[in-house]
Amino acid sequence: EPEVTQTPSHQVTQMGQEVILRCVPISNHLYFYWYRQILGQKVEFLVSFYNNEISEKSEIFDDQFSVERPDGSNFTLKIRSTKLEDSAMYFCASSVRGLDYGYTFGSGTRLTVV
Amino acid sequence: SQQGEEDPQALSIQEGENATMNCSYKTSINNLQWYRQNSGRGLVHLILIRSNEREKHSGRLRVTLDTSKKSSSLLITASRAADTASYFCATDTAGANSKLTFGKGITLSVRP
Repeated sequence: EPEVTQTPSHQVTQMGQEVILRCVPISNHLYFYWYRQILGQKVEFLVSFYNNEISEKSEIFDDQFSVERPDGSNFTLKIRSTKLEDSAMYFCASSVRGLDYGYTFGSGTRLTVV
Repeated sequence: SQQGEEDPQALSIQEGENATMNCSYKTSINNLQWYRQNSGRGLVHLILIRSNEREKHSGRLRVTLDTSKKSSSLLITASRAADTASYFCATDTAGANSKLTFGKGITLSVRP
């Protein structure tokens, strides 16, 4: 069964450093998402991406965050200057059409900012 | 209540029993989805019910949707120890862009 692949599975970074989280969505999917889950809290929407541009972003997705689909297969989330409160599990998801279809989530990247 | 709020927060049952989990939401939706998460792992899509549907089945899963009450329930029949996980409802809200709003989740423990 097709999977969404995320790398790395775990990343530890110093506060203030830049991190790039990588995702390979399912090849025929057109909608891409990033969500995050702070330990013990609910899964929160960060950003949706369609047709090479951001469709929607949440309040969490401030200027420190950016997304890119550099080569037609990878979908990346960059955090420019990490803060302690960015420590969370980051999930990439893709969907074939967005509305009315289930999402396929990756296994997540656990980001720890120290 | 929050959008996509589940209850109970935790449920412990014996293997073979049925597990019923409820979800309430506030705004109009396109669909409601249930996901499962094993500890420290990713989210696995279980079932999706559209706003014009009232009931849906998938294997041992049965989901209902009552748009007048803005609520949904997920029933897992004949539970197994392997069903132990956290279960989340997520609403895909009406509007031009699709995004999911998750509840806090229900922790289900199935005792062997």
